[in-house]
Amino acid sequence: ETGVTQSPTHLIKTRGQQVTLRCSSQSGHNTVSWYQQALGQGPQFIFQYYREEENGRGNFPPRFSGLQFPNYSSELNVNALELDDSALYLCASSLVSSGQETQYFGPGTRLLVL
Amino acid sequence: AQSVTQLGSHVSVSEGALVLLRCNYSSSVPPYLFWYVQYPNQGLQLLLKYTTGATLVKGINGFEAEFKKSETSFHLTKPSAHMSDAAEYFCAVSGSGGYNKLIFGAGTRLAVHP
Repeated sequence: ETGVTQSPTHLIKTRGQQVTLRCSSQSGHNTVSWYQQALGQGPQFIFQYYREEENGRGNFPPRFSGLQFPNYSSELNVNALELDDSALYLCASSLVSSGQETQYFGPGTRLLVL
Repeated sequence: AQSVTQLGSHVSVSEGALVLLRCNYSSSVPPYLFWYVQYPNQGLQLLLKYTTGATLVKGINGFEAEFKKSETSFHLTKPSAHMSDAAEYFCAVSGSGGYNKLIFGAGTRLAVHP
């Protein structure tokens, strides 16, 4: 158990809709990262939030956005869903104080876009 | 820029045999290296990590990996495979510092036969 939870576990949406995925980090962790894992591939970095500010972004369009809250929870929002957005979405929390810190992953939310 | 190549998308071993999963990385800065394991329908669990210091790193469940800078490799080994080791294994690299996004390889699926 990593202490990181995600909801919902599964979700089905149709193309063009919007979706919000939620993550609850380990208590005290000030950083959350989101990853997209397509079927049969390794996770790809979407973005990272540090102390409620975006701290870096991967090669994803602006329709992928996020929020981090003071209570160690965070959200990933995806607008105008496309079929290729179907994937497992993972969040990972860490405590960044000095140098590299270990990222602890949640179980993921599996999104299917029809 | 950083990248990870995992040689062999599928590896099959007999129970009790040596497990060797290969990982090569590319990094323009001193790398931090990780191995994560993913069981079916679950998130990622950290097996072990290399940041600095001793190049032979021991992890959970009897796994270990050796950082070889000259070969840009970080192969994962376990002397004796167990049926419960069957899973997907991901090698990842990141840089040092607070912005620590993980770059993952495509993964290696390990099958263990009785």
